[in-house]
Amino acid sequence: SSELTQDPAVSVALGQTVRITCQGDSLRNYYATWYQQKPGQVPVLVMYGYNNRPSGIPDRFSGSSSGDTGSLTITGAQAEDEADYYCHCRDSSGNHLVFGGGTKLTVL
Amino acid sequence: QVQLQESGPGLVKPSETLSLTCSVSDGAISDYYWSWIRQPPGKGLEWLGYIDYSGSTSYTPSLKSRVTISVETSKNQLSLKLTSVTAADSAVYYCARHLIGGSTSTTGAYYYYYYMDVWGKGATVTVSS
Repeated sequence: SSELTQDPAVSVALGQTVRITCQGDSLRNYYATWYQQKPGQVPVLVMYGYNNRPSGIPDRFSGSSSGDTGSLTITGAQAEDEADYYCHCRDSSGNHLVFGGGTKLTVL
Repeated sequence: QVQLQESGPGLVKPSETLSLTCSVSDGAISDYYWSWIRQPPGKGLEWLGYIDYSGSTSYTPSLKSRVTISVETSKNQLSLKLTSVTAADSAVYYCARHLIGGSTSTTGAYYYYYYMDVWGKGATVTVSS
């Protein structure tokens, strides 16, 4: 089991807002990073640090952090946002890195 | 824009050593951290380890006894070796450039973050006799 816990699946209606969360002790000391992976494709960085979006990532993606939980929010979800989302961070020992188990986002 | 390309055998026999190379274009390999990540069919991402610009390495605890990551600076390549493989090691293996940042939160606390901004296309490795 991963030290970063994600809900296995989340759904959102087209155009609505969805929050994908990642919980773990290490998130009290480190920001989560988020990757989007569509079927058969390479993971893509969508959020890092405190709400930093790489070039080319739509501004409907935002990040936040509170306590032991990091969140990725999509405001106005689009059909193309349907994908698996993984969080990533140091582990609780601070010596290694770890991924969350991933959240499958379905846009209805 | 730096590009990464994994290469190596697509089929490895059980108990043998899996060896992959990642070629880095358009950039000095020694300026960054580099990670290897894998993804078994139908499963999530697993971080295997990284090598930093000093050559120091960190490996995921569950594989630490079997994994080695190294860099050949003259060829701008990094490599992954995984010994004593089993079918459970069948996966797509990715190399990625790994960056580290930090910023002060609204509460005044300083947080580090780790992110992989450039990934290779991945190499599929099957362990089978």
